[in-house]
Amino acid sequence: DAKTTQPPSMDCAEGRAANLPCNHSTISGNEYVYWYRQIHSQGPQYIIHGLKNNETNEMASLIITEDRKSSTLILPHATLRDTAVYYCIVRVGTGANSKLTFGKGITLSVRP
Amino acid sequence: EAQVTQNPRYLITVTGKKLTVTCSQNMNHEYMSWYRQDPGLGLRQIYYSMNVEVTDKGDVPEGYKVSRKEKRNFPLILESPSPNQTSLYFCASSSPISPGANVLTFGAGSRLTVL
Repeated sequence: DAKTTQPPSMDCAEGRAANLPCNHSTISGNEYVYWYRQIHSQGPQYIIHGLKNNETNEMASLIITEDRKSSTLILPHATLRDTAVYYCIVRVGTGANSKLTFGKGITLSVRP
Repeated sequence: EAQVTQNPRYLITVTGKKLTVTCSQNMNHEYMSWYRQDPGLGLRQIYYSMNVEVTDKGDVPEGYKVSRKEKRNFPLILESPSPNQTSLYFCASSSPISPGANVLTFGAGSRLTVL
């Protein structure tokens, strides 16, 4: 699986959009981009995933650049409860479950 | 409710006393995995299993064993625990939700302290 690079931390104001960047310059054509988050010491929680197209669900939006070498997770209206560590990972899809490295993620702090 | 269940959630033990952390999932997932999480090091994969009787090492397998005799269970075994295995442990499972995609479901975590 391709490696991802995320800044260690960022913050944003409550109610504003939080844009979390991720670089995955060595991504392969069949690798998906996934985002998870971990609040305190709870188990990580799936947020969203995508392959080429931008994706949106009730939690967030995922913007993937045309060359697929980077992506941005957007929390449109951040709340204090969105304070967490966010992990960006890439992995091959069906039938290729294997080693899966989460890395250190990016710590998002939402301030009042 | 679809979930991954780990037990125990908290455990304090002593060096050398064998212990097992159980993990069970009720979603009929093929893939299961164990991670440990330590301050400043993120989530590191210990072992994973792609199906019954199929297991493989992750990034930090030393000092651990696993087994996958049934699809729903994936216990983590510490034969002779040492203080450097004090950590927060997570079990996870996954199965494709759509062609080409795999989403992991994590357990609540097991905090282990080895004295």
